[in-house]
Amino acid sequence: EVQLVESGGGLVQPGGSLRLSCAASGFTFSRHWMNWVRQTPGKGLEWVANIKEDGSDKYYVDSVKGRFTISRDNTNNSLYLQMNSLRAEDTAVYYCVRGSSHWGQGTLVTVSS
Amino acid sequence: DVVLTQSPLSLSVTLGQPASISCRSSQSLVDSDGYTYLNWFQQRPGQSPRRLIYKVSKWESGVPDRFSGSGSGTDFTLKISRVEAEDVGVYYCMQDTHWPKTFGQGTKLEIK
Repeated sequence: EVQLVESGGGLVQPGGSLRLSCAASGFTFSRHWMNWVRQTPGKGLEWVANIKEDGSDKYYVDSVKGRFTISRDNTNNSLYLQMNSLRAEDTAVYYCVRGSSHWGQGTLVTVSS
Repeated sequence: DVVLTQSPLSLSVTLGQPASISCRSSQSLVDSDGYTYLNWFQQRPGQSPRRLIYKVSKWESGVPDRFSGSGSGTDFTLKISRVEAEDVGVYYCMQDTHWPKTFGQGTKLEIK
C-alpha cells in the first residue's frame, strides 16, 4: 500500500524558514516524479513544485521560485521541501503527492507573527 | 497559466439522482503525445484529495462506476449517475498537460 507521511509543519514568523519532509513507502520511490501541493481556504489547491525520479529536473510555481527548494533522497525514500523567506500567503496545508494519484495526509504550515 | 473554470460551484442533489460538473480550460489540454491530462479529484470533509478519474475518462482503481468523465480539448464533465451519501465533498478538476499544473476552484456537493 502506498503511504506518504508528511512532517515538519508548524508556526513560523514571516521571513523564517521551515523544512518539510515526506516519508514514502509501499512503492519504488526512485521510479516516480514527486510533488508538493498546497491548499488554502482562500486560494484552493496550488501545485508548488515537483522533481524528477533521479532529481535531475525540478519545477516550481512562480510564487515560490527562489524561496523554496524541492529535493529527494532515493536511498531513504524521502522527499523534502526547504521553504525560506516565508510569507503570510504561504500559510497552507502542504501535501506530498506521488504523480497525481497518491496524496499524504498533509502538514499545516502557518506563517504569522 | 492554464485556468480551469468549474461550474456550478455548489450542487445540492437528492440521493439517487444524477449530478454533473463542468470544467472548462483556457487552452487545449491535448499534450504533444496525443493524450489529454485532465483529472478529477474528490475531497471529502477532513480528508486529502483522492483522484477519481485521469486522462479525461479513465477510472482510478476502486472508484465506483457511477462516476464517469468525458470531454475533449477544453471542455470536460464529471458525472455521477446516482448520488450516494458518501459522495458529499468538494470535486476538483486538474490539468497536468501544462506546467504549472492547475486546479479548478472546486464544486461543493451536498445532499438535498
